[in-house]
Amino acid sequence: DAGITQSPRHKVTETGTPVTLRCHQTENHRYMYWYRQDPGHGLRLIHYSYGVKDTDKGEVSDGYSVSRSKTEDFLLTLESATSSQTSVYFCAISDLAGTTDTQYFGPGTRLTVL
Amino acid sequence: GQQLNQSPQSMFIQEGEDVSMNCTSSSIFNTWLWYKQDPGEGPVLLIALYKAGELTSNGRLTAQFGITRKDSFLNISASIPSDVGIYFCAGAYSGNTGKLIFGQGTTLQVKP
Repeated sequence: DAGITQSPRHKVTETGTPVTLRCHQTENHRYMYWYRQDPGHGLRLIHYSYGVKDTDKGEVSDGYSVSRSKTEDFLLTLESATSSQTSVYFCAISDLAGTTDTQYFGPGTRLTVL
Repeated sequence: GQQLNQSPQSMFIQEGEDVSMNCTSSSIFNTWLWYKQDPGEGPVLLIALYKAGELTSNGRLTAQFGITRKDSFLNISASIPSDVGIYFCAGAYSGNTGKLIFGQGTTLQVKP
C-alpha cells in the first residue's frame, strides 16, 4: 500500500469555524490531490498540487484552499465551514511516471459540519 | 462539469454469479482506471487501461478500454462475498496533471 495518511480521520465542527485537513505521504510523489465523496456524485476533485507551492483548482474548489510547503504534506483548509461541506475527503498521490495516471488514495477523513 | 455515466448504480447478486458494469463518456480519454472501495476506506486500484481496445485481467477481474475511447467495462467472474463494495471507473485525459474524472460508482452486494 502507498504510504498515505490523513488526519484527522473524523471531525465534527460547527458552521463558520475554520478546518484544516492534512495529507501526508512517504512516497515522494510529485502530484497530490484532494477529493470529496458524496452519495450519487462519486469523487470530485477539489484542488491538486503538481509540486511544492504549485497548486491549481479542481471541479469543486469554491470554499476551499490548499497549501503545499513540503513534498510530503498537502493541506486542505475550509476557511469558514458550511453544512454543504459535510463529506468524506480523500487525498490521493501520483508520480505520473511513464504513461500512468494512476492515483493512490488515503483512508479518508469524515467531516461533519453542524 | 465532465462526468462519466456509470451503470448500473447498484447490483445485488448471488455468490458465484458473474458481474458486469460499464462507464461511458461524451469525451475521449487516454486512460481508464477501475477502483474498488470497501466501507470506511479509500478506493484501491484494480485495473489500469492505457490503449484503445486493450483487454486486461487481474484474477477474476477483466476490464476493457473501448475502441472509441469513450467507454470501458469491468467484469467480475464467479463473485464471492468479499467482492462487496463500491466500484468506480475513472478516466484521464492526456496531459501532465493526472486529473481524473470519476463515475458515480456501482454498489455491489453479494448474497452468500
